[in-house]
Order: sequence, then C-alpha cells, then structure tokens
Amino acid sequence: KNQVEQSPQSLIILEGKNCTLQCNYTVSPFSNLRWYKQDTGRGPVSLTIMTFSENTKSNGRYTATLDADTKQSSLHITASQLSDSASYICVVSANDYKLSFGAGTTVTVRA
Amino acid sequence: NAGVTQTPKFRILKIGQSMTLQCTQDMNHNYMYWYRQDPGMGLKLIYYSVGAGITDKGEVPNGYNVSRSTTEDFPLRLELAAPSQTSVYFCASSYADRGNYGYTFGSGTRLTVV
Repeated sequence: KNQVEQSPQSLIILEGKNCTLQCNYTVSPFSNLRWYKQDTGRGPVSLTIMTFSENTKSNGRYTATLDADTKQSSLHITASQLSDSASYICVVSANDYKLSFGAGTTVTVRA
Repeated sequence: NAGVTQTPKFRILKIGQSMTLQCTQDMNHNYMYWYRQDPGMGLKLIYYSVGAGITDKGEVPNGYNVSRSTTEDFPLRLELAAPSQTSVYFCASSYADRGNYGYTFGSGTRLTVV
C-alpha cells in the first residue's frame, strides 16, 4: 500500500530560527514528490515539485531535498517568519492520477 | 484570475439531508478532483474527472456522486448525509495528472452533519 509518513507531527520554533521537516514514502512506481503549505482554513498551496532526477529544489526560504533511493524527502525552512505558521504536507505521485498525501507537520512560529 | 472557487465555505446538515458542493475553475484545466480532509489524516480522493463528461471513483466514493458537464464545473453531491461525512472538502484542478503540473486547490468547504 502506498504510504507517506511525515515527522514530526508538530513543532514550535522561534522566529528567525531554521527547521527541517521529514517525509518518508513507500509509493511505487514513483513519479514526483510535492510539498504543499496549508494555512489554517485554506486549501494547500504548492511549494515545490521534484521528479526522480532532482535531489533539491528551492522556493525562497523553503528548500526541499529528495533521496529517491531511500525514499526520503525533507523540507528546510530558513530564517522562519510568523507567516510560516502552517501545516506542511508531503504528497507523492505514482505513475497514474493518484496522489498519496501525508498527514502533515504543523509548524508554529513564535515571536 | 480566481483559480478554483468552492461554495459554500461552511454548512451544517442534518442526518439524511442532501446537498451539492459547488466547484468552479477558470484555468481551463482538464483534470478536476474532490478530496476530503479529516483531522490528523492525509487528504483522501473521493472522485476525479479527466475531462467534461468523464468521471471516476477515487479511494472513498461511497455516499457521493459527481458530474462534469462542462470543463469549468465539477459539483459534488451528497445524498442522505451521515455523520461520517463530517469533514473538510477540497476541490482541486490540474492541467494534467502527472509530470510537473501542480494542483490548484480551492479554499475548502467545512461540512458538519448532525
């Protein structure tokens, strides 16, 4: 069964600090891996999309990495801001229409 | 450019009632999807459509129906609402279903069945 596991479930960081979120998956065959940011009460918004051949991709202060051999990905947030408080969802796509969603990591940035 | 628009944003239904969740996109995307998001769980696919007139079941289709008469609209119908259908529902669209095409999500409909 295709699964996506994210850790930690939640974390609290001080404004200006960095943090790293983890994503492990068992989806096969693999097509691409996406990170989404979901603000409270809103729909998910795409941060990055990586295919099998890409091992890192950045979007501003967000940097995603992918190790397709170990089936792991991480999302690094640099110099966190209060607006980074959200749920971050790892989504893995197999070679069909199906996306497998992780349950998300809730990040709270405190001043 | 509005993207994906969902209505209503909130709704409370009584057990056994029916309703339609509306979803419209203005990006001329062929693919549209309905997901539900339950607390502590990843989004689950209810139904999807690869184009006007074509729909298919996702992982959790029971208790729901969809139609796709136009490229823009993809309504989700709940018949005989049950407490298990209490959830947040997201509509999404994409140009294609694979590759580097991202999904655009609506802002969601929070449904409570009492």
